[in-house]
Amino acid sequence: DTGVSQDPRHKITKRGQNVTFRCDPISEHNRLYWYRQTLGQGPEFLTYFQNEAQLEKSRLLSDRFSAERPKGSFSTLEIQRTEQGDSAMYLCASSPLHVLAGVDTGELFFGEGSRLTVL
Amino acid sequence: DAKTTQPNSMESNEEEPVHLPCNHSTISGTDYIHWYRQLPSQGPEYVIHGLTSNVNNRMASLAIAEDRKSSTLILHRATLRDAAVYYCILKSGGYQKVTFGTGTKLQVIP
Repeated sequence: DTGVSQDPRHKITKRGQNVTFRCDPISEHNRLYWYRQTLGQGPEFLTYFQNEAQLEKSRLLSDRFSAERPKGSFSTLEIQRTEQGDSAMYLCASSPLHVLAGVDTGELFFGEGSRLTVL
Repeated sequence: DAKTTQPNSMESNEEEPVHLPCNHSTISGTDYIHWYRQLPSQGPEYVIHGLTSNVNNRMASLAIAEDRKSSTLILHRATLRDAAVYYCILKSGGYQKVTFGTGTKLQVIP
């Protein structure tokens, strides 16, 4: 399978614990995104990487959240001192750099997500 | 960033065409209109995108109004597998923070 892969698919943790999610993008995609989705809502943007550089971060990404993409390949999203409000689906997406007439039109390819439940 | 407005839900009978509307009155000249859909317990899936002209692919057609303030995703023959939440989003060149709204939940009736 050459799609976006996320691990683990499900994580149950106690409040205050740290959790880490991993995303393996499609290999030739140099853009990687993290989104969070709660029940009944659309995905909310968290952060974006182009290669290894983290270029944008949402205000939703508090200081308990950190994302990395060493060497521009896989990415990790760590949540420290989890709170019950962090319970959500964490989605990763990747995108090729697809420029048409000077405009980036690349579509996003999403993984199946990592569902976090904080007790 | 420019926002989109979609109906919360729609119903369609199986094997009939479905027209899913999206309003984006504050769209800018560099915004591409993208549609994604999300099946239960899965990540969103790209459907189609366009700028000004109508677009067709194997999944759907995208009709864009002349003033670009609205668009319509057309599923030519709805199947039960098309039951999903459909998101209309605007993606501007060079700006990667894409905002998803709550989308339209499409129910397909056998």
